[in-house]
Amino acid sequence: KQEVTQIPAALSVPEGENLVLNCSFTDSAIYNLQWFRQDPGKGLTSLLLIQSSQREQTSGRLNASLDKSSGRSTLYIAASQPGDSATYLCAVSHHTGTASKLTFGTGTRLQVTL
Amino acid sequence: DGGITQSPKYLFRKEGQNVTLSCEQNLNHDAMYWYRQDPGQGLRLIYYSQIVNDFQKGDIAEGYSVSREKKESFPLTVTSAQKNPTAFYLCASSSRPTIGRHYGYTFGSGTRLTVV
Repeated sequence: KQEVTQIPAALSVPEGENLVLNCSFTDSAIYNLQWFRQDPGKGLTSLLLIQSSQREQTSGRLNASLDKSSGRSTLYIAASQPGDSATYLCAVSHHTGTASKLTFGTGTRLQVTL
Repeated sequence: DGGITQSPKYLFRKEGQNVTLSCEQNLNHDAMYWYRQDPGQGLRLIYYSQIVNDFQKGDIAEGYSVSREKKESFPLTVTSAQKNPTAFYLCASSSRPTIGRHYGYTFGSGTRLTVV
């Protein structure tokens, strides 16, 4: 059974700092890996998706890497801002037909202080 | 704008009652999903559907039921058999993958269910 772990569970950094969030998974037979952002009481917003054949994806100040063989992914946030404060969730997917079933980590709660 | 609409935002259930959570999408996605989120735990898959009139159990289907009579709609019923239904419920949909494209995943804004 796939298990996804995110470290750290919580992180507080001052504005402007670069930071790294970690995600590890036990079964390397994944279709892709996604990073989501969740604000309190809200749904999930997709940030980045890395296909199993890819090594990294970038969007603005965000960069996500994937090492499938070692079961690890990192989300790098450059020049953090207070608006980045949220919970960041990592999820790996296993596809079945037209559906993609996601297995989620428990998330990293990020607070960026002024 | 295309997206997923979940209603209601907050729902209160009495002991022994069945309640139905609504999920509607206008993204023309084939697959739809229901996840449950509890504090300190990751999201867990309840049910998913790949096509109209078809659905499969996820990891925690006991005490829940679904239907998929229309492509746009995937309601979730929380039955009285679900012993601990208080949670945040999220509906999602994804597009069919094609060459060079991935499963595009979109989530709704969630329904918070509380047993009173």
